[in-house]
This record gives sequence, structure tokens and C-alpha cells, in this order.
Amino acid sequence: GAVVSQHPSWVICKSGTSVKIECRSLDFQATTMFWYRQFPKQSLMLMATSNEGSKATYEQGVEKDKFLINHASLTLSTLTVTSAHPEDSSFYICSATKTGDSNQPQHFGDGTRLSIL
Amino acid sequence: AQSVTQLDSQVPVFEEAPVELRCNYSSSVSVYLFWYVQYPNQGLQLLLKYLSGSTLVKGINGFEAEFNKSQTSFHLRKPSVHISDTAEYFCAVRAPYSSASKIIFGSGTRLSIRP
Repeated sequence: GAVVSQHPSWVICKSGTSVKIECRSLDFQATTMFWYRQFPKQSLMLMATSNEGSKATYEQGVEKDKFLINHASLTLSTLTVTSAHPEDSSFYICSATKTGDSNQPQHFGDGTRLSIL
Repeated sequence: AQSVTQLDSQVPVFEEAPVELRCNYSSSVSVYLFWYVQYPNQGLQLLLKYLSGSTLVKGINGFEAEFNKSQTSFHLRKPSVHISDTAEYFCAVRAPYSSASKIIFGSGTRLSIRP
């Protein structure tokens, strides 16, 4: 089955540092990947749609200079939280769908728990 | 635009009892419907999906859901739950046009199983 790998699974860092999260589709190509943020006991909030070879599309209210997305290949998208602060602490989840198949569901990574001290 | 409403934020059930998790959606176009499960500190796992055809959809772990177009519902059911079913369940919709279409999630239902 389709597998999406997300790394790291857990990261703790000091306020002011930048953190990069990777999302890889292991056995399929994904022209489009999605980045979500989830607060405790809440639903997933779509942050942005990552498109291979082009700029990401950000949802309203999401700072694109704060959350940098790069989708340089058909199997890898990265989310960089720049100058992270405690309010950026959250659970970040990525997902991907197989290129060209509109019937396919999104396949999710296992998430990254980010804690900013 | 689409939206999803999960009417119950929490559902406590005794082990081996049946359960139904409710989901209603709103859309001006046809949609694909999904149920996902999330275990603590993990990503989402697809339980089942409705794309077209038979309105009764069977998924993994003994779950099934029925698409009801007239009531715009897609309730999830299981005839007998186990402790291991304790998790958060999300109903979701997506426009069918492209795999790049955004998924809209409901607010989630926490299923807690009592022994």
C-alpha cells in the first residue's frame, strides 16, 4: 500500500531556531502534498498545499514566510518552521496522493510533534 | 464549498457493544467521503471511503459506513467494538475532480471503550 514517511517524529528545540520537517512518499509519486497542523484534541487544519516544482498554496491566515514549504521532487516535500516560538508548538502532519489518480485518498504520515522551549 | 459536521465530540461505549459515529456533510457538488482513524500521537489511517456505487461501504477493522444522499450523511458503524478501537475518528469530504483537491475534515469524535 501507499506509504508516507514523515521525519522527525518528535523534535524539541529552543525558541528562535528553525526546524525542518520532511515528508516522503516511499512507493509512489506525489505531485501534490498537503501540510496540516493539529492542536490538542482538535481537528486537522490545512496549512498549505505543496506542489512539485512550483510555489505552495497557503490557506488564509497561514504566514508563508513563517512556514516555508519546498517540494523539489515528486517524492519529497519539506516544511520549515522559521524562527520558531512556543506558540508554534503543535502536531504537524503531511499527506500525499498518487499523481494522476483522482480516486485515490490522501495517505498520511505519522506526524511530527514540535515542542519549542 | 464543502463542510463536514460530526455531531458527537465524544462517544463512550462498553466493549462488545455496537457503535455509530455520526457525520453529516454539506456540498453543492458531488463529493468523495472518507473516515479516518487517529491513534494517540500518530497520523491518520484510512478506515474506508465512498467514491460511487454501493452506498454501503465496508472498511478495515470491521467498520462500515452508509452514504445517504437525501440526508447528506455518512455515518460510521461497527457491530461490536473492542478496547483497541479507542481512538479519534474523523469524517472527511473531498471534491472528486482531482487528487489535488483539498480534504475538509470534521471536528472529530473521540471513541472511548469501557471494559
